[in-house]
Amino acid sequence: SQQGEEDPQALSIQEGENATMNCSYKTSINNLQWYRQNSGRGLVHLILIRSNEREKHSGRLRVTLDTSKKSSSLLITASRAADTASYFCATDAKAAGNKLTFGGGTRVLVKP
Amino acid sequence: SAVISQKPSRDICQRGTSLTIQCQVDSQVTMMFWYRQQPGQSLTLIATANQGSEATYESGFVIDKFPISRPNLTFSTLTVSNMSPEDSSIYLCSVATSGGPDEQFFGPGTRLTVL
Repeated sequence: SQQGEEDPQALSIQEGENATMNCSYKTSINNLQWYRQNSGRGLVHLILIRSNEREKHSGRLRVTLDTSKKSSSLLITASRAADTASYFCATDAKAAGNKLTFGGGTRVLVKP
Repeated sequence: SAVISQKPSRDICQRGTSLTIQCQVDSQVTMMFWYRQQPGQSLTLIATANQGSEATYESGFVIDKFPISRPNLTFSTLTVSNMSPEDSSIYLCSVATSGGPDEQFFGPGTRLTVL
């Protein structure tokens, strides 16, 4: 089974609203990464958060990590139509080197 | 970040044939990986491409079906052999640019349809 599970599976919001999605995982990790995928194209790397970090920001993105709960959240503030995409979390575990295990993804639709 | 290209970007193939996908990186990288994304699904790791040696396959993937080459630190190929419609997926290569657990960057993917 996949290491990461994402919630919700789909999200529909109006432009300007915030979008929050969550990722849970099962085992200890080195890092957790968030990616965006537009319409079945390649993945765009958004942000990496290390296991000893609790929060990270990049532009309109805010990622939190709670290792005690084995969960992470991605917040997109002031969403735009261009943010419409699928968002995936991916973890690499201490025992697995660089290999990434992906969550199921959250499909985000931002309506203009 | 590394710039990664894949060829072809998409293909439509007949059942029973094979397709080789190329992944080219603009700089030397330590780690290269191949992933499969079935329609509407998340990504699953197929194998780690090792430079100068046999690839390391994940459970459920075998070399006879997905032979992989990595002749140098900037290039790798994945072949999907004896294809069936179930192989219709997006195939993506990714690279890690350091020896440690840092960011992985993905190529644009190859969309394969098998008829």
